[in-house]
Amino acid sequence: DAGVIQSPRHEVTEMGQEVTLRCKPISGHDYLFWYRQTMMRGLELLIYFNNNVPIDDSGMPEDRFSAKMPNASFSTLKIQPSEPRDSAVYFCASSSTRGGRREQYFGPGTRLTVT
Amino acid sequence: QQQVKQSPQSLIVQKGGIPIINCAYENTAFDYFPWYQQFPGKGPALLIAIRPDVSEKKEGRFTISFNKSAKQFSLHIMDSQPGDSATYFCAAGRGFQKLVFGTGTRLLVSP
Repeated sequence: DAGVIQSPRHEVTEMGQEVTLRCKPISGHDYLFWYRQTMMRGLELLIYFNNNVPIDDSGMPEDRFSAKMPNASFSTLKIQPSEPRDSAVYFCASSSTRGGRREQYFGPGTRLTVT
Repeated sequence: QQQVKQSPQSLIVQKGGIPIINCAYENTAFDYFPWYQQFPGKGPALLIAIRPDVSEKKEGRFTISFNKSAKQFSLHIMDSQPGDSATYFCAAGRGFQKLVFGTGTRLLVSP
């Protein structure tokens, strides 16, 4: 299995631009999570989906952030317009309820820099 | 109530030492307590996890100790090696819902 795939790995953009981060979860997993990691705030959960349906988006910072999961194999996190304070590493993770395991498998992350 | 408090923030031990990282939680509904290990430039990866019906779990050189009454759990790394140098996160969860992560401990094992 290829694991969780994220793209791009690095993104540098100017303030005000739209940024789209992409995630392909592990096949067969029914939960998908988006996290943001910074030195100041640590690892923060932004939103998570179960069977493609958003369950909890209380961690989304503000209306500039949106996430979608159009099907079981693809999710996007969009920031529009981007701001320098959005600079962070964004992780996608997936997990499966099959067998009762709760392990979350993280992708390699997307390092976002907004100048 | 959703917070998980982790300490210390950073830790330096010599090779062969036993670093101990501690976490405390408030929500008694949590029923799953994993530890994740993260190397620079990588995503966190599950190291070991425990449920509240056991007081200790060992996997190789890694041990979780769990104190339900005190609402605390800790990670011990036996015979630590330089390759164990990483950031360690504790977390807590309920059912298949989201995990709440601690703030992380940066461990350095000196040769």
